[in-house]
This record gives sequence, structure tokens and C-alpha cells, in this order.
Amino acid sequence: QRQLVESGGGVVQPGRSLRLSCAASGFTLSSHGMHWVRQAPGKGLHWVAGMDYAGGSKTYYADFAKGRFTISRDASKNVVYLEMSSLRVEDTALYYCAKDMDFFSFDVWGQGTMVTVSS
Amino acid sequence: QSALTQPASVSGSPGQSITISCTGTSSDVGAYKFVSWFQQYPGKAPKIIIFDVSGRPSGISNRFSGSKSGNTASLTISGLQAEDEADYYCSSYTVSDTLLFGGGTKLTVL
Repeated sequence: QRQLVESGGGVVQPGRSLRLSCAASGFTLSSHGMHWVRQAPGKGLHWVAGMDYAGGSKTYYADFAKGRFTISRDASKNVVYLEMSSLRVEDTALYYCAKDMDFFSFDVWGQGTMVTVSS
Repeated sequence: QSALTQPASVSGSPGQSITISCTGTSSDVGAYKFVSWFQQYPGKAPKIIIFDVSGRPSGISNRFSGSKSGNTASLTISGLQAEDEADYYCSSYTVSDTLLFGGGTKLTVL
């Protein structure tokens, strides 16, 4: 059974950093593109960042994430990360990781990890 | 980049068909076949129901269908059922190597 489990969320002050993790089971993470999508409470979905499968090295970022967020993967642990720095109040959201089934189409989602940026 | 445009809400009676539109530009929806649709129930993660404009993942009912014309993609749900009541989001890859989501559409089954 393919599954993704996110962790690392919490309450953090504006300007600080946080690293989210997404552990995969039931499939090899490095064989697929992986992405992060966020959803503020009561709001819609917003794509954050993505990366190609391990055969390629391309990463993609939403404009609001460029320069502040970094997506990476540890193939040996079957985990993908999202390093977030210079966090802002507007980054408050539930962060999902998602597996790419084709090209920017996500067939497996985690349950999300909540990030709250507040002073 | 602005979100793709979806109607905030649509409604229909059981057995009827409804269509949700997703309007973008020639830089996203109009540029590629990489349009997906997701269904999301309250408090749950999204679930893909359409990929590549009209592809249906394994296990998704054939009551769900997708299409595209120019800069507008559409999701049609036929034979509406109570269990279809949920939020629906479209997404599209863009010429800037990013992904845009629509603002979401709340489907109410009357």
C-alpha cells in the first residue's frame, strides 16, 4: 500500500526556519517526481515546490517559495524534505506532500502537517 | 501568477449531470495537456480524479470525465450521487515550470 506521512510542522515565529519531512512507504520515492502543496485553513490548494524523479535533478518552485524554500530528497531513507526559511505569517497552512503519477499530476497524498507562523 | 478561475459553487440533483469549468490562459491550460482535477472532502487530502485533461486513474468512476477547449478545461460529473458532494480543484502546468490550481468549486447535491 503506497503511503506518504508528513512530519515536522509546528508553531514558529516569523523569520524563523522549519524543515518538513515526508516519508514514503510501499514505493520507491526516487523513482517518481515528488511535490509539496499547501492549503491555508478554509482556503484552496496552492502548489509549493516539486522535483523530478531521481533520474533527473530538476526542481521547481512557486514564485512565493523561490529563494526561501528548498525541496530535496534522501533516497536512502525514502524521504523528501521541504526546508523553509524566512517564514511569514502567510505561510501558515497545512502542507501536503504528493507523489507524481505522470507529470504534475498527483496520485498519492499524505495527510498533511500543519505549519503555523505566529509571533 | 493568478489562480485558474473556477465557479465558487455548483449544484445539481441526484442523477443529473454538472460541469465545472476551469479557465486559464495560453500560458497554462491552453499550452499543455497537463490539466488535472482533484476531489476533496472536508478534513481530507485531495484525490485525483482526472489527469492529462481526460485521463481517469484506475478506480475512478467513468461518471467523471474531463475535456479542454482552448484556455478552458472542464470536469463533467454524470449521474450525480450524494457522495459526489465535495470541493473540486483543477490544476495546470504552466510555461514557467510551475503548477497553478483553481480556486476550487463546492459541489452541492440537492
